[in-house]
Amino acid sequence: GENVEQHPSTLSVQEGDSAVIKCTYSDSASNYFPWYKQELGKGSQLIIDIRSNVGEKKDQRIAVTLNKTAKHFSLHITETQPEDSAVYFCAASTRSGSGNTGKLIFGQGTTLQVKP
Amino acid sequence: KAGVTQTPRYLIKTRGQQVTLSCSPISGHRSVSWYQQTPGQGLQFLFEYFSETQRNKGNFPGRFSGRQFSNSRSEMNVSTLELGDSALYLCASSRGGQASTGELFFGEGSRLTVL
Repeated sequence: GENVEQHPSTLSVQEGDSAVIKCTYSDSASNYFPWYKQELGKGSQLIIDIRSNVGEKKDQRIAVTLNKTAKHFSLHITETQPEDSAVYFCAASTRSGSGNTGKLIFGQGTTLQVKP
Repeated sequence: KAGVTQTPRYLIKTRGQQVTLSCSPISGHRSVSWYQQTPGQGLQFLFEYFSETQRNKGNFPGRFSGRQFSNSRSEMNVSTLELGDSALYLCASSRGGQASTGELFFGEGSRLTVL
């Protein structure tokens, strides 16, 4: 069945260091890979996403890479700041002919702690 | 623009009871999805409604059901509650259809505790 594995489950880094979170998906038909950040008291928010027709996407300090052959995708956060501390979820879905749906298969989440 | 609103935010029920949770999507969004979040399992997809029809369904028992109204508001119901149903239930909306970018907008969730 569809499955997304996410590692590590917890990650602690010093402010200014980089953080990397990795995900592996099982469904070869998956073609959309978003990353969500969940903070206490706030709804989960999309921070970056990538589609299967590109291998890398960057947005300021955040980047995502995708290896379709290996079914891996990773989130990279550079120059981490205390406000980056949160739970991060990767996800995968398949865009059909009718467009993107609301069905995402999520990883188990990574709790990132950035120490000042 | 108002975000996704979920009610109630917190509730406590006992085993065997039933519960109804409500979700108001962002104005103009026609798709509403529901997820169950637990510490061990992460976010698990329950179902998605689009234009009042269930478009996708996850692997949950029939005790979990939902519906969507003509104004896109959605409700989910859990009958015969079990201890294992204790979780944060998240609602997410999106435009749906060809106009959708795939981005989901999440509410803050309804935290259900079953005693």
